[in-house]
Amino acid sequence: NAGVTQTPKFQVLKTGQSMTLQCAQDMNHEYMSWYRQDPGMGLRLIHYSVGAGITDQGEVPNGYNVSRSTTEDFPLRLLSAAPSQTSVYFCASSSPTSGGSTGELFFGEGSRLTVL
Amino acid sequence: KQEVTQIPAALSVPEGENLVLNCSFTDSAIYNLQWFRQDPGKGLTSLLLIQSSQREQTSGRLNASLDKSSGRSTLYIAASQPGDSATYLCAAMDSSYKLIFGSGTRLLVRP
Repeated sequence: NAGVTQTPKFQVLKTGQSMTLQCAQDMNHEYMSWYRQDPGMGLRLIHYSVGAGITDQGEVPNGYNVSRSTTEDFPLRLLSAAPSQTSVYFCASSSPTSGGSTGELFFGEGSRLTVL
Repeated sequence: KQEVTQIPAALSVPEGENLVLNCSFTDSAIYNLQWFRQDPGKGLTSLLLIQSSQREQTSGRLNASLDKSSGRSTLYIAASQPGDSATYLCAAMDSSYKLIFGSGTRLLVRP
């Protein structure tokens, strides 16, 4: 069982370049989310999705786009990378509960991005 | 806007000590509160999940409590071990499914 898989694990970009961070889960989870973690800080929510075709903005959405065309995949796109987007990015997924909440959150191993 | 705060930011204790990590949140309208562990350079591992209708959850030497009325959660670690050294993060999920994290408590358990 692969769980949550993120690719690439490491990436170096130049300012202005675009790229996509991939996230895939094989647990049939409806809830998926992207976070960034900067040194000495907790995680900040970028975008999230409660199901295929549904996405919403988190705390720090500017400069990032997402789409959710399938249950399994939730890619994060940087359209024009900036040095301020240098960070470690984490994807996570969870299944819903009968009460409308979510269950345990499963995280990928992270993608370390450097923008020069 | 939900804000989550964790105190202390860092903690160093001798092996065998019982300890409490604190988490507070400003908006009590949450779906759940979760505690995670993060080792250096690694992803997050879920430790305990408390739904809004629950008061506490236990797993082995870990016990987490939730008091929505006061906006507080605590993680109790019994008989701490050097292997417990890590950063512990709490996160609150609000009713729009936004999960907001605290900045974490960095724990060092000294042999």
